[in-house]
Amino acid sequence: GEDVEQSLFLSVREGDSSVINCTYTDSSSTYLYWYKQEPGAGLQLLTYIFSNMDMKQDQRLTVLLNKKDKHLSLRIADTQTGDSAIYFCAESFSGYSTLTFGKGTMLLVSP
Amino acid sequence: NAGVTQTPKFQVLKTGQSMTLQCAQDMNHEYMSWYRQDPGMGLRLIHYSVGAGITDQGEVPNGYNVSRSTTEDFPLRLLSAAPSQTSVYFCASRGRENQPQHFGDGTRLSIL
Repeated sequence: GEDVEQSLFLSVREGDSSVINCTYTDSSSTYLYWYKQEPGAGLQLLTYIFSNMDMKQDQRLTVLLNKKDKHLSLRIADTQTGDSAIYFCAESFSGYSTLTFGKGTMLLVSP
Repeated sequence: NAGVTQTPKFQVLKTGQSMTLQCAQDMNHEYMSWYRQDPGMGLRLIHYSVGAGITDQGEVPNGYNVSRSTTEDFPLRLLSAAPSQTSVYFCASRGRENQPQHFGDGTRLSIL
């Protein structure tokens, strides 16, 4: 079955690192994505990782994938108030066109 | 650089009315999809299309119709709106398989 789970809320102080976690149940996932949604806006792709990779880094963002535990995390270094948003984890499967989303993690960054 | 364009941005309907949510993309993407976003539910797939003339149902298709007569456009139709269809609707498109999907800014729909 397809199920993506995320914690609902995370609060950090400006300048700290944020770690948003995601678990998925389908081992045949091919790509795993992180999207960001600011209030009243659409979804913005942040980064994605192919399932044969363990880590991907892109500026302040680091994605870690633990295939054994089916665990994906997004680390944001030096978190800023502009990073406050909802972050969605999503998975897709080889040969299929659809994305399965988690319910989203609301990140609140306080000054 | 238009990307995925959704219209209208906001709409209020009465129960039983019909309406079409428009979605257009200018990236020559084959794959397009419609999602609805409800509080605490994440995004759920309504319908999708892998190319012109081909559509299929997603997780929550009831009450919605789609068609794909051109590569660029993928309208979503509500034939008889119900309050349960109050939601934010997102259209997305992508190119080759497993490439990331690009999302529109959404249509906020309220049904009274």
